[in-house]
Amino acid sequence: EDQVTQSPEALRLQEGESSSLNCSYTVSGLRGLFWYRQDPGKGPEFLFTLYSAGEEKEKERLKATLTKKESFLHITAPKPEDSATYLCAVQASKNAGNMLTFGGGTRLMVKP
Amino acid sequence: DTGVSQDPRHKITKRGQNVTFRCDPISEHNRLYWYRQTLGQGPEFLTYFQNEAQLEKSRLLSDRFSAERPKGSFSTLEIQRTEQGDSAMYLCASSRVGVAGVEQFFGPGTRLTVL
Repeated sequence: EDQVTQSPEALRLQEGESSSLNCSYTVSGLRGLFWYRQDPGKGPEFLFTLYSAGEEKEKERLKATLTKKESFLHITAPKPEDSATYLCAVQASKNAGNMLTFGGGTRLMVKP
Repeated sequence: DTGVSQDPRHKITKRGQNVTFRCDPISEHNRLYWYRQTLGQGPEFLTYFQNEAQLEKSRLLSDRFSAERPKGSFSTLEIQRTEQGDSAMYLCASSRVGVAGVEQFFGPGTRLTVL
């Protein structure tokens, strides 16, 4: 069974204090690993797709990396507007329908 | 706005009542997904459509739940005889069809509260 575990569950940072969020996964054949941002009361907003180990993607202060067992979301010099829940999800090659298996998320709070 | 839309955004109902939610996907997307998210958890897959065909259902989808996508456009999710355990955020997502990992785009969700 596909599993995704995110850590920490919650993270408090001061503005400008860089850190990383972890996503560990077990999947039988990775088709893609996805990062989403979710603000309270809203749907997840797509950030990145990673396909294979060694791949990296960047967007503003966020950088996502992938190994064979985990992915990291690095946040450089965060601002208060980066406060949100960050969700990691995998698509398994055995699932023809490409449904996503999500982790529980990391709730990030950035204080000014 | 060309994103995924959902209606209503909030629904409060009494136990035992039936409710129906609507999702309008991004127009060029063939696939439409329904997920359920409870507080503090990630979304869980319920079911998906490719065009008008419902191709897979999760074991989370009890007999009280039914989904349709007539003509391969919008979709509805109906819950009959609601229970308090049905209280959650119901999320709809759409994507194009692809072999490699294909990103799904989510709507704003419908928050269901069963009293």
